[in-house]
Amino acid sequence: QVQLVESGGGLVKPGGSLRLSCAASGFTFSDYYMSWIRQAPGKGLEWVSYISSGSSHTYYADSVKGRFTISRDNAKNSLYLQMNSLRAEDTAVYYCARVGGGSGSYYRDWGQGTLVIVSS
Amino acid sequence: QSALTQPPSASGSPGQSVTISCTGTSSDVGGYKYVSWYQHHPGKAPKLMIYEVTQRPSGVPDRFSGSKSGNTASLTVSGLQAEDEADYYCSSYAVSGWVFGGGTKLTVL
Repeated sequence: QVQLVESGGGLVKPGGSLRLSCAASGFTFSDYYMSWIRQAPGKGLEWVSYISSGSSHTYYADSVKGRFTISRDNAKNSLYLQMNSLRAEDTAVYYCARVGGGSGSYYRDWGQGTLVIVSS
Repeated sequence: QSALTQPPSASGSPGQSVTISCTGTSSDVGGYKYVSWYQHHPGKAPKLMIYEVTQRPSGVPDRFSGSKSGNTASLTVSGLQAEDEADYYCSSYAVSGWVFGGGTKLTVL
């Protein structure tokens, strides 16, 4: 059964950095595109970033471009999100999600999320 | 990227049907057959309910169905059950990435 387990969240000051990790199991990780999606308190979901199966293609929402970096280690079945220059508006639960096969237009599986709080 | 527009709330009694709308633009919902819907019980992992507008993943009851007309997609839940009470989010692929709706809280009365 597919499992996605996020870690690395916590409290960080504005301008600080944090690295999120997502441990994947139950499927062939290297075959799938992956994404990070977040949900700010009381708000809806927001797509953050996307990486192709072999890491050759990465995409970012305008709100995080230049500050966040998505990466993966297929040997370790792990997805990462390096977050720099953090702002209060980055406070959210961050979800790791597996992109569905076929069209690749949807998220087949999600983790339970890790909470990031940016506050002084 | 602008969020898709969903009603903040919807409700129905057990056994009834309810439809949740999701309005975008020709650059997202209207431009692609790539609308998906997610059920989210707070504190848990979101769950895929519908993908590619009308497709239902294995394990999702056929009480859940999706459709699209122009720039508006819809999720219909028939035969409402207590466990359907949750937040529902629509999403669409767009040129600049994915865009989500603001979410609809479905209450089973």
